[in-house]
Amino acid sequence: EAQVTQNPRYLITVTGKKLTVTCSQNMNHEYMSWYRQDPGLGLRQIYYSMNVEVTDKGDVPEGYKVSRKEKRNFPLILESPSPNQTSLYFCASSRTAPTSYYNSPLHFGNGTRLTVT
Amino acid sequence: SQQGEEDPQALSIQEGENATMNCSYKTSINNLQWYRQNSGRGLVHLILIRSNEREKHSGRLRVTLDTSKKSSSLLITASRAADTASYFCATDGGLTGGGNKLTFGTGTQLKVEL
Repeated sequence: EAQVTQNPRYLITVTGKKLTVTCSQNMNHEYMSWYRQDPGLGLRQIYYSMNVEVTDKGDVPEGYKVSRKEKRNFPLILESPSPNQTSLYFCASSRTAPTSYYNSPLHFGNGTRLTVT
Repeated sequence: SQQGEEDPQALSIQEGENATMNCSYKTSINNLQWYRQNSGRGLVHLILIRSNEREKHSGRLRVTLDTSKKSSSLLITASRAADTASYFCATDGGLTGGGNKLTFGTGTQLKVEL
């Protein structure tokens, strides 16, 4: 089954304790992206990747890191989490970049609800 | 920054009625997409309309696009309780590229009551 898998689904941590949220897709998609969703603010892009070893900042990259060493995986790293990073996080992938005229739709994971105390 | 803004923010209708949601955006686009999100879950793609298209259908969904007004509408006909969800429009950055990303609006919460 074609899917984007995020882990964990729920995570409660304390300020400053490094954490990684994993994301994996089995569709051989080139494009992957991380979003955070907050009430009243909608979805905001954190980072995206056009392909292996190609990553770039989205709208709200501060406090986050990503890597794309393999095509299928795109982990999100919080080196020193803070309470303002408490949010619902989504990983998404698509066959081509969204700005391509022949782009394909984004496939989303089921989300990771992160609480930082 | 938010590219798409949905209207209304919340909509409550009876089963069988039609639901219309609107999206306005600011810059040029190559395409506009609509997604659905059930509570706390990942978004699911519904339909994509390209900038040179004016209307598109998929099952009970009808999407229109007016690039001169920078707006789109999503119509769900004969709504069902299972249509209860949040609906988001998403746009790319058109000729400017927008940073190779989709920008989502804040969504319309649709509630379909029995």
